[in-house]
Amino acid sequence: DIVLTQSPDFQSVTLRERVTITCRASQSIGTNLHWFQQKTHQSPKLLVKFASQSFSGVPSRFTGSGSGTHFTLTINSLEAEDAAIYYCHQSHSLPLTFGGGTKVEI
Amino acid sequence: QVQLQQWGAGLLKPSATLSLTCAVYGGSFSGYYWSWIRQSPGKGLEWIGEVNDSGNCNYSPSLKSRITILVDTSKNQFSLKLTSMTAADSALYYCARRAWQSQGWYFDYWGQGVLVTVSS
Repeated sequence: DIVLTQSPDFQSVTLRERVTITCRASQSIGTNLHWFQQKTHQSPKLLVKFASQSFSGVPSRFTGSGSGTHFTLTINSLEAEDAAIYYCHQSHSLPLTFGGGTKVEI
Repeated sequence: QVQLQQWGAGLLKPSATLSLTCAVYGGSFSGYYWSWIRQSPGKGLEWIGEVNDSGNCNYSPSLKSRITILVDTSKNQFSLKLTSMTAADSALYYCARRAWQSQGWYFDYWGQGVLVTVSS
């Protein structure tokens, strides 16, 4: 199975700060890496697909980059509504796997 | 707008079988993979398995012996059965859609989740 390791586990930030979350894969997965946001008591919502493609309706402050084994999600100018847990997910091979999550607190 | 609405029993006794159903509204049922994913404090997000509209399934190797995922295209629904439930299977269970584009498959829509607790 492909293991995804996210860092940090937790990040306390201030409004309008830039936030960077990292996801490392245990083997090369090309750009088959996606990012989700999960707010309290809600289901995960897709932010970025295939490493860098923004999903429809997602604010432009969310951007993704990377390929191979190293990926990042950047939130530019953090807003209060961005408080959530962020997960990476790989679709390169079965079984599908997820990172452990990064909690962003404001 | 695509919506996934799921339901099923939330409290089960040990050794019982979990049965969940997910209905899809507002979009095509064909051309997608329909997945089950669970989330627990100890294991995070865990993919269980999936089915397409032709009934082709992919299952998590760790759960394969206990899973059955079925599709009912006449109702735009798919279902999960997980046998021999234990406390370790207690989790929030989600259904989700996987869509295709040229680079591959990706999850785009999720259900609201059903909390399943296994307790005697």
